[in-house]
Amino acid sequence: DQQVKQNSPSLSVQEGRISILNCDYTNSMFDYFLWYKKYPAEGPTFLISISSIKDKNEDGRFTVFLNKSAKHLSLHIVPSQPGDSAVYFCAAQSGGGADGLTFGKGTHLIIQP
Amino acid sequence: DAGVIQSPRHEVTEMGQEVTLRCKPISGHNSLFWYRQTMMRGLELLIYFNNNVPIDDSGMPEDRFSAKMPNASFSTLKIQPSEPRDSAVYFCASGRGRGYGYTFGSGTRLTVV
Repeated sequence: DQQVKQNSPSLSVQEGRISILNCDYTNSMFDYFLWYKKYPAEGPTFLISISSIKDKNEDGRFTVFLNKSAKHLSLHIVPSQPGDSAVYFCAAQSGGGADGLTFGKGTHLIIQP
Repeated sequence: DAGVIQSPRHEVTEMGQEVTLRCKPISGHNSLFWYRQTMMRGLELLIYFNNNVPIDDSGMPEDRFSAKMPNASFSTLKIQPSEPRDSAVYFCASGRGRGYGYTFGSGTRLTVV
């Protein structure tokens, strides 16, 4: 049973526009959420995180929104750039940091010139 | 900072052989995770350590898998005997707590023939 779901395997966005990547979770014990970016033949790279006590966190072009009642989070990238083309993973953690990360299966973001 | 270092990058072995994957976490990080990535199951947590102590190994698929962390700067994941279904990319990640993300290595691509 998948506890973290990324329902869009791929997403194509025009350069300069906004990219919105979505993630849903089922485990109400998750209290910390992260987004990772992955290029082929490399390990995932940490992008941004958010604690369940917040509903928004921003870092440059990247903003993560958390809707706890809907058990939904999203990553916004504005403006999208060609180097943003990668697979994006949503991850969640419970236990106040004492547990490992549970990952979604990823969304392949393609930025069109 | 050299990041999380994994070796080897690629490993091809015959079914039944023992395989040892190695990881050097970032100095100062007190958490270490082993993940496995496959097309079917995505990124799965196998085991994680906190301060060199195994905390949760419930993700280890079978007794053929074992992991050790003899000191803060080294960990191994061993598969004995290996089987073709163990073929995957194995990632090691380390961290020093929430708010800093967790840093992944570049992974070991294991092929068991």
